[in-house]
Amino acid sequence: GAGVSQSPSNKVTEKGKDVELRCDPISGHTALYWYRQSLGQGLEFLIYFQGNSAPDKSGLPSDRFSAERTGGSVSTLTIQRTQQEDSAVYLCASSPRDRYSYEQYFGPGTRLTVT
Amino acid sequence: AQKVTQAQTEISVVEKEDVTLDCVYETRDTTYYLFWYKQPPSGELVFLIRRNSFDEQNEISGRYSWNFQKSTSSFNFTITASQVVDSAVYFCALSVASGAGSYQLTFGKGTKLSVIP
Repeated sequence: GAGVSQSPSNKVTEKGKDVELRCDPISGHTALYWYRQSLGQGLEFLIYFQGNSAPDKSGLPSDRFSAERTGGSVSTLTIQRTQQEDSAVYLCASSPRDRYSYEQYFGPGTRLTVT
Repeated sequence: AQKVTQAQTEISVVEKEDVTLDCVYETRDTTYYLFWYKQPPSGELVFLIRRNSFDEQNEISGRYSWNFQKSTSSFNFTITASQVVDSAVYFCALSVASGAGSYQLTFGKGTKLSVIP
C-alpha cells in the first residue's frame, strides 16, 4: 500500500518568510508525528496528533511553529518568520496505534533551507 | 527523561564480516518500547524492529539479529555476513507513554555503517 507522503520534497525560502509543509499519513493510521532532523541536533520530536484528541505540542521549539491535522488525516506544519536555524529535514511519521503496535512509519521528508 | 546512546559514530567493515551496533538506553518507566531504524543514503527512515520492555526474547530475521538485555539497558543489533546494501545510518530509538498519550521516539545520534566491497 501507499506509504507516508510529504510535500514539497525540497523548499528554499528567504529568512523571515512563512512556509507550509504537508504530510499525508498512511490510510487508517490514527497517530501522526512530526520530527526534524538536523546535523547539530539529530532527530527531534516536534508534535503529535492522535485522532480527535488535543495534540501534544511539547516538542515545538518556538511559537513560530504550529501544526494542524484536518479530518484526522492530512497534516500541515507551518513555520512563521523562518530563521536560518530552522534549516533541517522535516519528517512526518504515522502509526496504526493499535493496542500492540507502536512502530512509526516515516515519509521521505521535506528538506527546508532558509537563506 | 529518556536517553539513547549510540557510542559508535561510524563503523567500516569489509563485506561478509559480521558487525554489531551498540545501543544503550535510559528511562525510569517500566513499560517502554525499543526500535531500530535504517536510514540509507536515499534518506527515508525504514523501520526494522520493535521490542517491548516486557519481552526480552532475542530476535533473528535473516541476517539481522537483536540482543535485548534489561540488566545492562542495552539493545544491540548484529548484521551477519554484511553486504554493501547494508551501508546506511542506523538509529536506535526509545518510546514511553507521555502524559499527553504520545509515544514519541527518542533517538540516538545514529551509527553510520559503511560496508566495503
